Amino acid sequence: EVQLVQSGAEVKKPGESLKISCKGSGYPYINNWIGWVRQMPGKGLEWMGIVYPGDSNTRYSPSFQGQVTMSADKSISTAYLQWSNLKASDTAMYYCARLFSGSYGEKFDYWGQGTLVTVSS
Amino acid sequence: QSALTQPRSVSGSPGQSVTISCTGTTSDVGNYNYVSWYQQHPGKAPKLMISDVNQRPSGVPDRFSGSKSGNTASLTISDIQAEDEADYYCCSYAGSYAVFGGGTKLTVL
Repeated sequence: EVQLVQSGAEVKKPGESLKISCKGSGYPYINNWIGWVRQMPGKGLEWMGIVYPGDSNTRYSPSFQGQVTMSADKSISTAYLQWSNLKASDTAMYYCARLFSGSYGEKFDYWGQGTLVTVSS
Repeated sequence: QSALTQPRSVSGSPGQSVTISCTGTTSDVGNYNYVSWYQQHPGKAPKLMISDVNQRPSGVPDRFSGSKSGNTASLTISDIQAEDEADYYCCSYAGSYAVFGGGTKLTVL
């Protein structure tokens, strides 16, 4: 069974750094890109970017380029999303999702349970 | 990289059909047949309902169908049921990245 399990909720202060994770199982992890999707409170889904665990290649949405860093460690089947300088506006639920093989970026077939990030002074 | 345009809400009675539109540009929806639709219930992760404009993944009821004309993709739900009440999002490839629509809340009356 394909599963993506994300790290737990985080509460941080503005200016702090953070790295959240997404561990995959039930399939060859390096075969599929992993995407990150933001959902701010009461708002819609936003496509942030994707990372390829095989070589850590990344593609970012122009809206998130330079704001976050995506990476992966194929040896432990885990992808990461990190911030170096959190802002209150980063408060959101963050989902990781597996990109269907051969898809160009819009077809996520399995999703993690989400990680809630709260940034508040 | 603006979000694709969806109606904020649609509604219908059980057994009726509803259609949700998703309007983009020639840089995304109009240029690629790579449009997916997701269903999201409150507090849950999204679920893939339609991919590649009109393909239903295994396990998705055939009441759900997709289409595209020009810069606008559409999701049609036939014979709507109470459990279809949820938020629906389109997503299109836009060349090196993808973009979601703003989301549509379906209310089953």
